[in-house]
Amino acid sequence: GQQLNQSPQSMFIQEGEDVSMNCTSSSIFNTWLWYKQDPGEGPVLLIALYKAGELTSNGRLTAQFGITRKDSFLNISASIPSDVGIYFCAGLRIYSGAGSYQLTFGKGTKLSVIP
Amino acid sequence: NAGVMQNPRHLVRRRGQEARLRCSPMKGHSHVYWYRQLPEEGLKFMVYLQKENIIDESGMPKERFSAEFPKEGPSILRIQQVVRGDSAAYFCASSPWRVQREGRGEQFFGPGTRLTVL
Repeated sequence: GQQLNQSPQSMFIQEGEDVSMNCTSSSIFNTWLWYKQDPGEGPVLLIALYKAGELTSNGRLTAQFGITRKDSFLNISASIPSDVGIYFCAGLRIYSGAGSYQLTFGKGTKLSVIP
Repeated sequence: NAGVMQNPRHLVRRRGQEARLRCSPMKGHSHVYWYRQLPEEGLKFMVYLQKENIIDESGMPKERFSAEFPKEGPSILRIQQVVRGDSAAYFCASSPWRVQREGRGEQFFGPGTRLTVL
């Protein structure tokens, strides 16, 4: 099956620093999504990317859909304590005919922010 | 504007019992997905349903697991004769039909049900 390699697994950064994380795959995806999950909660959608090469921002977050459609990165600028959590990338591959829309998730990047 | 709702939030069952997990999608959403998450792992797709139809159940174990999304009422994920290995967080997500038509793929998640099998 498809797998997403997400790195790094965890990060410890000082408040105010910038953060970068990425996902790579051996398969092409139609859509890349980035989610954040807090302990005991469900994933919350941060950014959605639909086209190869697309660069999208949401406040301090910036994400890009790789030109090969096999990778994506997420940057967080000027981190703050509430950025703490687990960040997941997810890829959508649409199977023509089957009409399936299952997401494939990375294993997550656990972010810790030191005040 | 309520989001995806799941209940119960926590469920404890003994081996051999049945677990029923409920999911109410966001208002206006007609597509429901179930995912399972083990500790320190990402979410794994289980099943995709539309009203009264199972579209893709390729991620769901063939035995003991079933899912439905009736015309009226919430989607139900049912696990019969639970075993310790079923202990996990189960998440439901939903999306509106237009997202599917446009091939965009955003899915919005509920808070999850944490199942513990004793």
